[in-house]
Amino acid sequence: AQKITQTQPGMFVQEKEAVTLDCTYDTSDPSYGLFWYKQPSSGEMIFLIYQGSYDQQNATEGRYSLNFQKARKSANLVISASQLGDSAMYFCAMREGRGDFGNEKLTFGTGTRLTIIP
Amino acid sequence: DTAVSQTPKYLVTQMGNDKSIKCEQNLGHDTMYWYKQDSKKFLKIMFSYNNKELIINETVPNRFSPKSPDKAHLNLHINSLELGDSAVYFCASSQALTGGRYGYTFGSGTRLTVV
Repeated sequence: AQKITQTQPGMFVQEKEAVTLDCTYDTSDPSYGLFWYKQPSSGEMIFLIYQGSYDQQNATEGRYSLNFQKARKSANLVISASQLGDSAMYFCAMREGRGDFGNEKLTFGTGTRLTIIP
Repeated sequence: DTAVSQTPKYLVTQMGNDKSIKCEQNLGHDTMYWYKQDSKKFLKIMFSYNNKELIINETVPNRFSPKSPDKAHLNLHINSLELGDSAVYFCASSQALTGGRYGYTFGSGTRLTVV
């Protein structure tokens, strides 16, 4: 089974609208972390936001928020007031375990290509 | 100052050659990784090192040999390059026991093309 599933290969959104990128995950480990990364056309991987499995509140970072629904195993990224510069690939990723010495690999989803339309 | 720097950024080489990619981080992290991003943009871990010790070796052909001379450096040497090795290779680092809460920092990637 896929550990991280991103069901939207591509999305087109009007500038200034909010956008939700879907991510579901599968793990039996009670301790895990969920991440979102942005990869613009220039190719670098930019860390956006993190949610820990024991965090009580949904994570927020500026225009980014993570809609964490633990029982449904979903961790959707919400971008408010989208901008042209938000056009990029977005990856959801999971770290299983507490993050002990070096065994804290990230498992990535297949990504969603977001295009913001002026 | 670049946090995680990889060299070279682009690498074009012929099949059968041996090549190396270098990575250095100045974040003081104790764990470093190599990830491979294929032509469909899928990212998969290859190796991780913690304080110079190999921790993860994710069923990578033994033509790929990572080396970590110290915890700030992680190099990747590839022998007998094949067409299927063409990909973008990312180096990354993190600090253990923070659970990566502050993110895994990635380098800008090395685009390897085998012809």
